[in-house]
Amino acid sequence: GAVVSQHPSRVICKSGTSVKIECRSLDFQATTMFWYRQFPKKSLMLMATSNEGSKATYEQGVEKDKFLINHASLTLSTLTVTSAHPEDSSFYICSAREDRAQYFGPGTRLLVL
Amino acid sequence: GNSVTQMEGPVTLSEEAFLTINCTYTATGYPSLFWYVQYPGEGLQLLLKATKADDKGSNKGFEATYRKETTSFHLEKGSVQVSDSAVYFCALSDLGGNNRLAFGKGNQVVVIP
Repeated sequence: GAVVSQHPSRVICKSGTSVKIECRSLDFQATTMFWYRQFPKKSLMLMATSNEGSKATYEQGVEKDKFLINHASLTLSTLTVTSAHPEDSSFYICSAREDRAQYFGPGTRLLVL
Repeated sequence: GNSVTQMEGPVTLSEEAFLTINCTYTATGYPSLFWYVQYPGEGLQLLLKATKADDKGSNKGFEATYRKETTSFHLEKGSVQVSDSAVYFCALSDLGGNNRLAFGKGNQVVVIP
């Protein structure tokens, strides 16, 4: 139980384009999902908290207009990186909360050329 | 604010050796504590958790005890295998409604045959 999927697992895009990443809780409903960014050999940086049916809460320093988050259902949250630039290249990981624990997706490797 | 401190540097050890990774925390109140493991190229997996003082979390031969008096949650395994090579993250969840996680920096564990 408590499986979270992400799609795509890897994406390469051109600078200036937008990329959408999906996060799904497969066998449970999650009113709260989280989006993280991980740099090489670094810990996870929380970007935003996504609550179903309401606006996401962004961490300080994260541009809400650049990283659009939609949590339209209890099993799906999406992160759209708008007008991507090479510095947005990173490993993006989502998680879904069940009870007191968070269950993580396998991550999405984004490379912006 | 809440924070988690993990011992510095990677850990390299031989198969069947004893593993300890130190984790201490700073928090108000009584947070829940977690250990997550990240295998190369993958997202994080919940390894074990403890939700109150003196609780012991255990899974796959790993153990950690929630020590309120020393604000610690050290991870131990009596006999490691090569397949245990991964990055291990200690984390605590805040007591707010969203239960956001605060992560330590992680420790790379390399088990040599």
